[in-house]
Amino acid sequence: AQTVTQSQPEMSVQEAETVTLSCTYDTSENNYYLFWYKQPPSRQMILVIRQEAYKQQNATENRFSVNFQKAAKSFSLKISDSQLGDTAMYFCAFNPGNEKLTFGTGTRLTIIP
Amino acid sequence: NAGVTQTPKFRILKIGQSMTLQCTQDMNHNYMYWYRQDPGMGLKLIYYSVGAGITDKGEVPNGYNVSRSTTEDFPLRLELAAPSQTSVYFCASSYGLSNQPQHFGDGTRLSIL
Repeated sequence: AQTVTQSQPEMSVQEAETVTLSCTYDTSENNYYLFWYKQPPSRQMILVIRQEAYKQQNATENRFSVNFQKAAKSFSLKISDSQLGDTAMYFCAFNPGNEKLTFGTGTRLTIIP
Repeated sequence: NAGVTQTPKFRILKIGQSMTLQCTQDMNHNYMYWYRQDPGMGLKLIYYSVGAGITDKGEVPNGYNVSRSTTEDFPLRLELAAPSQTSVYFCASSYGLSNQPQHFGDGTRLSIL
């Protein structure tokens, strides 16, 4: 069974700084997909970024980028120029190619003004 | 475009009561999912469906039932509510391709007293 581990329950950073959230996973699959979801206080789950394991290039979406290390089974999220609206729970999720997502326990990120 | 709509948003049940959580999507997605999110945890898959008339168990199906008579609707039924089912429930849908994200509803907060 796949597992996803987020080792940082809470983090905080000053506005405009850069922060990196960690995620590791365990799988025997070779092709799979990784996602970061954001859950603000409104509770809605919002896709932040996704990565396909067969692509070596790290995914980037505006201020959000990932550091995907396939051999180490690591998938960290970097948020640059952090904004107050980035305050949320962030969940790392793994899809082994069967549409079933396995989520980590989340990291609560607070952006301090 | 409404996306994924869940009703109700909040509900309090007594132990032993039954209820149905409604979920509908207007994106013509074949795949639909039900998750529960316990406090401080990630989402866990309860049931999923790959198309009308087809459903399958996820990680935590006990105490729940689902049906999928149409592409749009995927209701979740609790037959004998128990305190352990107190949680936030999320419905999601996707095209069914592993690299495509799941689109989530706003969640239903359910308390069993």
